[in-house]
Amino acid sequence: NAGVTQTPKFRVLKTGQSMTLLCAQDMNHEYMYWYRQDPGMGLRLIHYSVGEGTTAKGEVPDGYNVSRLKKQNFLLGLESAAPSQTSVYFCASSLWNTEAFFGQGTRLTVV
Amino acid sequence: AQSVTQPDIHITVSEGASLELRCNYSYGATPYLFWYVQSPGQGLQLLLKYFSGDTLVQGIKGFEAEFKRSQSSFNLRKPSVHWSDAAEYFCAVGPSTPGTYKYIFGTGTRLKVLA
Repeated sequence: NAGVTQTPKFRVLKTGQSMTLLCAQDMNHEYMYWYRQDPGMGLRLIHYSVGEGTTAKGEVPDGYNVSRLKKQNFLLGLESAAPSQTSVYFCASSLWNTEAFFGQGTRLTVV
Repeated sequence: AQSVTQPDIHITVSEGASLELRCNYSYGATPYLFWYVQSPGQGLQLLLKYFSGDTLVQGIKGFEAEFKRSQSSFNLRKPSVHWSDAAEYFCAVGPSTPGTYKYIFGTGTRLKVLA
């Protein structure tokens, strides 16, 4: 049972490039989340989804887009990467009334 | 607005000493509360959670936390710290009322353990 899997684990992008981060969960969870983690700022919610085909904005959504075409997958896209998007990105999933389960993170550097 | 405050950015304790990490929250209803631990380069692992009932909850690795509604606090404790406890600790509130879905995290407390 893999839980929450994020790919890739590391990536370096040039400013203006695009990329997609993939999150996959095998726990049949309804809710999925994308967070970014920056030093001294904890985890900030980018976007989340409460079910297949739904997405909603979190605390820091600008510059990111998401899609949830399948229940088990939640994709985070950067259309035109900026140095301010250098961060560690975490995906999480949950059911109602449970804790959130986290992936191992994606370390993204934008140069 | 919902929020979580961890007032201590860094804490240093000696191995074998007791530990208390502070967490205060702001939430409109009875919250669901969590403590997570993050080792360097890793994801977040759940230490313990409070949903209802006994306000003193036990978690993994010998940790416990106490929910105090009157103080809006959920402090994490451990009687005797081990060197392997060095990590970053995050307090969080989770969705507890219909129509809410977000987990809100504090900024974290980094624990250093002296041998």
